[in-house]
Amino acid sequence: GAVVSQHPSRVICKSGTSVKIECRSLDFQATTMFWYRQFPKKSLMLMATSNEGSKATYEQGVEKDKFLINHASLTLSTLTVTSAHPEDSSFYICSASGTSGSDEQYFGPGTRLTVT
Amino acid sequence: GQNIDQPTEMTATEGAIVQINCTYQTSGFNGLFWYQQHAGEAPTFLSYNVLDGLEEKGRFSSFLSRSKGYSYLLLKELQMKDSASYLCAVKDSNYQLIWGAGTKLIIKP
Repeated sequence: GAVVSQHPSRVICKSGTSVKIECRSLDFQATTMFWYRQFPKKSLMLMATSNEGSKATYEQGVEKDKFLINHASLTLSTLTVTSAHPEDSSFYICSASGTSGSDEQYFGPGTRLTVT
Repeated sequence: GQNIDQPTEMTATEGAIVQINCTYQTSGFNGLFWYQQHAGEAPTFLSYNVLDGLEEKGRFSSFLSRSKGYSYLLLKELQMKDSASYLCAVKDSNYQLIWGAGTKLIIKP
């Protein structure tokens, strides 16, 4: 089956620094990648949808200048949390699909971000 | 607006059967997914329904009624490892996934 990896799995950073999270589709070409964040005991919240080679589409309320998304190739998308603050601490999960979004989404293992 | 409703929490006994319901109101419908998520982990795919009826996959089955905006996930022969959250998600007319809040399933011995 399709495998999606995320790196790092856990990261602790200080307030004001930036953190980059990588999402890779290992055995298929991901036309579309999705970035979610999840608070404890809450459901997934879609942050943005990115298509390879084009700008990401952000959900309402998500600051595009704070959460920079780059979908540089069909196998790699990155999320950079800029000038992180403690309220950015969360579980960030990426997923990928092979077409324009009509296919099943394959999820990465997630990244636990803690901002101190 | 778009809405997915599922119970917050359910409790069942090891070896028994449990049914987790999901009702939805979305702008269009292009399929319904069930995912399993263990605490601290990412969701894993369980099932996909796009036509009415029952899809069976081992101990897990999923049912869909599009006219009623209703689905359920049926888990048989429950095992302790089935303790997890179960997420219902619907693809709307724009092929965007709308997520339910998830049902936390607690399995007791």
